[in-house]
Amino acid sequence: EAGVVQSPRYKIIEKKQPVAFWCNPISGHNTLYWYLQNLGQGPELLIRYENEEAVDDSQLPKDRFSAERLKGVDSTLKIQPAELGDSAVYLCATKGGIETQYFGPGTRLLVL
Amino acid sequence: QKEVEQNSGPLSVPEGAIASLNCTYSDRGSQSFFWYRQYSGKSPELIMSIYSNGDKEDGRFTAQLNKASQYVSLLIRDSQPSDSATYLCAVNPDLYSGGGADGLTFGKGTHLIIQP
Repeated sequence: EAGVVQSPRYKIIEKKQPVAFWCNPISGHNTLYWYLQNLGQGPELLIRYENEEAVDDSQLPKDRFSAERLKGVDSTLKIQPAELGDSAVYLCATKGGIETQYFGPGTRLLVL
Repeated sequence: QKEVEQNSGPLSVPEGAIASLNCTYSDRGSQSFFWYRQYSGKSPELIMSIYSNGDKEDGRFTAQLNKASQYVSLLIRDSQPSDSATYLCAVNPDLYSGGGADGLTFGKGTHLIIQP
């Protein structure tokens, strides 16, 4: 069974530029999460989807961050414009039923 | 605000010894507890889950939960160099759920070093 797929794995951009991350969940997993992980910290939830519906986006900085999950499968997370402080690892995790979350490899973002 | 506290370490343990990792949480309503292992540059990987008070053993790993004290621990027996990683404690308010209404709340992690 394939795991959670994320792309790109690494991204370097200049500040004020836009950037987008993509996540493909494990087949059949209806719940999808985006987490932010800073160096030396644990992951912090940004947004949770149940199928195509964003059911918890209270931690998503909506002035510059946006996310979508069209058709309840793949999801994209976008930052526009990016700031220096956005440099971090962006993790996607998915869950099916009562199973626990499985994390993708993450996208490492560096904003210069 | 829900908080999960861990000693960041590093915790250095000789090979073959028992490594003991500790975690406390602030939300008394937490029902599900998890330990994730994260190697440097990699994503978190689930190694243990525990939902009721007491001990749960899986191979060389034992998770211990004490809800009255709001305390979770992870013991690694016969520690191996390959156990060297950061161990993240995570909690959730929903029972038997790896991510309920709020997703998982993670601690900052404890960096474990197993010395050969």
